[in-house]
Amino acid sequence: AQRVTQPEKLLSVFKGAPVELKCNYSYSGSPELFWYVQYSRQRLQLLLRHISRESIKGFTADLNKGETSFHLKKPFAQEEDSAMYYCALGFGNEKLTFGTGTRLTIIP
Amino acid sequence: DAGVTQSPTHLIKTRGQHVTLRCSPISGHKSVSWYQQVLGQGPQFIFQYYEKEERGRGNFPDRFSARQFPNYSSELNVNALLLGDSALYLCASSHRGGQNQPQHFGDGTRLSIL
Repeated sequence: AQRVTQPEKLLSVFKGAPVELKCNYSYSGSPELFWYVQYSRQRLQLLLRHISRESIKGFTADLNKGETSFHLKKPFAQEEDSAMYYCALGFGNEKLTFGTGTRLTIIP
Repeated sequence: DAGVTQSPTHLIKTRGQHVTLRCSPISGHKSVSWYQQVLGQGPQFIFQYYEKEERGRGNFPDRFSARQFPNYSSELNVNALLLGDSALYLCASSHRGGQNQPQHFGDGTRLSIL
């Protein structure tokens, strides 16, 4: 069965410091990995997807099939990055399996 | 564009009752998915509909059912409500099913079971 694990429920980082949100997955095939973000009082929204290999709001994530990881990284945290972040695993029929989420707080 | 709209925003029911939740996708989106989010957990997939046909079903009992209408709006029905059904129910739409399209989420319906 597919599973997404986000080991940190809470993460606090000082402004300007690097950020890394961890995500590990288990799936025997070739899934697509996503990061979704929910800012305060806003809807859950897509941040980035691994096939795009793009940087959104300074965030990047690399799929490491050997370690079955898809960690989210940003070199310099900003206060507006404070939010709830969910890692998700997708399939051809768009059934997303989400992790339990990490609440990121940026300390000014 | 208002995005994905869900109604009602909040709902209180008692055990054993039935509930219907509604979702209108973004204009032009033909795929609708439903998720249940229990407090402290990530969203859990319930159903996906595309072109009025069920394309995916998560690990939920038969008390949960859904349908999609010709205008691509959707309803999620839950029968014989249990306390454990208390959750935020999210609807998401995307342009096409089966293509790993980015999903756009609504604000959700918060269902409380007393």
